[in-house]
Amino acid sequence: EPEVTQTPSHQVTQMGQEVILHCVPISNHLYFYWYRQILGQKVEFLVSFYNNEISEKSEIFDDQFSVERPDGSNFTLKIRSTKLEDSAMYFCASSVGEGNQPQHFGDGTRLSIL
Amino acid sequence: AQTVTQSQPEMSVQEAETVTLSCTYDTSENNYYLFWYKQPPSRQMILVIRQEAYKQQNATENRFSVNFQKAAKSFSLKISDSQLGDTAMYFCAFMIRRPGNQFYFGTGTSLTVIP
Repeated sequence: EPEVTQTPSHQVTQMGQEVILHCVPISNHLYFYWYRQILGQKVEFLVSFYNNEISEKSEIFDDQFSVERPDGSNFTLKIRSTKLEDSAMYFCASSVGEGNQPQHFGDGTRLSIL
Repeated sequence: AQTVTQSQPEMSVQEAETVTLSCTYDTSENNYYLFWYKQPPSRQMILVIRQEAYKQQNATENRFSVNFQKAAKSFSLKISDSQLGDTAMYFCAFMIRRPGNQFYFGTGTSLTVIP
């Protein structure tokens, strides 16, 4: 069964540095998402992306964050000038369509900011 | 504002027994979808079951079924014949049908199946 693939599985970065998290969604999916989960807390929506533009973003997704689909397969999340509170598990997800189409999640990238 | 509440942070069940995980939500929208996701220790979120809000019939997937009470905004998950592989964190989520497809998640219930 096709899967959403995220790399790396664990990223350690110094505070203030930029980090890029990588995701390869399922190939025939058209909608892409990023979520984060701070340790011990619930999963929070960051952003959704469709047709090469952001569809919706949460309050968390401020100017520090950006997403890009640089080619036909990758979907990246960039965090500029990382802060300690950015430490979390970041999940990428994709879905084939809207409505009741489920979102398929990747394994996540654990981001640790030192 | 959209909220999802899972009032049971931790639960345990004997293998082969039945367990029910509770979930309530709040929204003023009428057209939405409800989901239960499972997050085992391997970390990946796996879809367990989904329910369209406009359907009165409760969804069922093998050993998993839901009790959807729209008026009460309740969406509980029943796991029958619990297996050791059911040990995981379970998240209730709902999505409003609009551009963006944002999911709103609950805080999760950690379920342990005891041999």
